[in-house]
Amino acid sequence: DVKVTQSSRYLVKRTGEKVFLECVQDMDHENMFWYRQDPGLGLRLIYFSYDVKMKEKGDIPEGYSVSREKKERFSLILESASTNQTSMYLCASSLTQGGDTQYFGPGTRLTVL
Amino acid sequence: SQKIEQNSEALNIQEGKTATLTCNYTNYSPAYLQWYRQDPGRGPVFLLLIRENEKEKRKERLKVTFDTTLKQSLFHITASQPADSATYLCASHASGGSYIPTFGRGTSLIVHP
Repeated sequence: DVKVTQSSRYLVKRTGEKVFLECVQDMDHENMFWYRQDPGLGLRLIYFSYDVKMKEKGDIPEGYSVSREKKERFSLILESASTNQTSMYLCASSLTQGGDTQYFGPGTRLTVL
Repeated sequence: SQKIEQNSEALNIQEGKTATLTCNYTNYSPAYLQWYRQDPGRGPVFLLLIRENEKEKRKERLKVTFDTTLKQSLFHITASQPADSATYLCASHASGGSYIPTFGRGTSLIVHP
């Protein structure tokens, strides 16, 4: 069974803080993704990575960066957290290119005060 | 741009009835359509995948259809139960090997006892 884990279920940070969200998958998947999900807006892709050290911008990359130093780990970084980054953050992984099932982590509910 | 749309209004049905959820797509030809279930505060969980050359797929009480003429997928849950209450997301990948899925915003299903 594929497992995707995220470092925290709930996180509260202050405006201006640097925030790290970590995601680990245990099935040797090539692709990893970071989404945020807000009521009425659905899932929005922030960044994705198709290989170690490779990253591509999604639909809403502003204010975020990512790091993929190892295949199993994909980190999302908020350089200077702002209140409009309060959201549910979801990490996902998938096996191959060409479209494949996405396996999601449990999510991190981030609140920026 | 490619678009995938789901009914934003919640679907309320009585236990034992068949629930039918709709996913419409425009401006592209999906290679796959996938359906996910999402419970409140959790990550989506994959349910079923149907390919562009398949008309119908079943898994236990679940059935998915794919109509390329109508540009639509229908997701059915037969003999619905209160435990089926959740938000259901459809997702697709365009033909041509894209591994970036497009997600619908989801439809909430509420099954009343």
